[in-house]
Amino acid sequence: AQSVTQPDIHITVSEGASLELRCNYSYGATPYLFWYVQSPGQGLQLLLKYFSGDTLVQGIKGFEAEFKRSQSSFNLRKPSVHWSDAAEYFCAVGARNTDKLIFGTGTRLQVFP
Amino acid sequence: GAGVSQSPSNKVTEKGKDVELRCDPISGHTALYWYRQRLGQGLEFLIYFQGNSAPDKSGLPSDRFSAERTGESVSTLTIQRTQQEDSAVYLCASSLLAVGSDTQYFGPGTRLTVL
Repeated sequence: AQSVTQPDIHITVSEGASLELRCNYSYGATPYLFWYVQSPGQGLQLLLKYFSGDTLVQGIKGFEAEFKRSQSSFNLRKPSVHWSDAAEYFCAVGARNTDKLIFGTGTRLQVFP
Repeated sequence: GAGVSQSPSNKVTEKGKDVELRCDPISGHTALYWYRQRLGQGLEFLIYFQGNSAPDKSGLPSDRFSAERTGESVSTLTIQRTQQEDSAVYLCASSLLAVGSDTQYFGPGTRLTVL
């Protein structure tokens, strides 16, 4: 069965700084990988997803993520963080033989001015 | 078009009472999912509906939990004899297709508090 680990529970960065949120997955084949963002009081919104092709995926709001099979990772990056990026970020993995997503425990991002 | 909507947004109930949570998926979406998000934790899959097929109930934590969906429309999650450990945000999502690569669109959730 697939699983997801987000090792960082809470990250704090200054506005304008670069950001990398870590995500490691466990799955025997090529997974489907997703990053979602949950802003306070709102539902989850998809940032980006990977299921084949180019391993560097561009998403909304200036985010990108890179699928690294050798490291079983799908880290989320943004070159310059804005105060509005403060939220909870969830990595999720799906498998080709199931319709369910398995979510990580999330990383809470705090942005200081 | 409208996104996924859920009602109520907040529900406070007493231990032992039954509660019903409602989800209106995006029109035309064949798949509908329920998740539970406990404080400080990730999303926990509960149940999944796809068209007229039998639902996948593998995530339901106990027989106090049940859900129904009529066709490709509204779904109701029912928790009977609520316990304090049921306190959580219950999220509903829908997707156009029932395949693992398809994007799930989430509602804002229902925050359930069991006193």
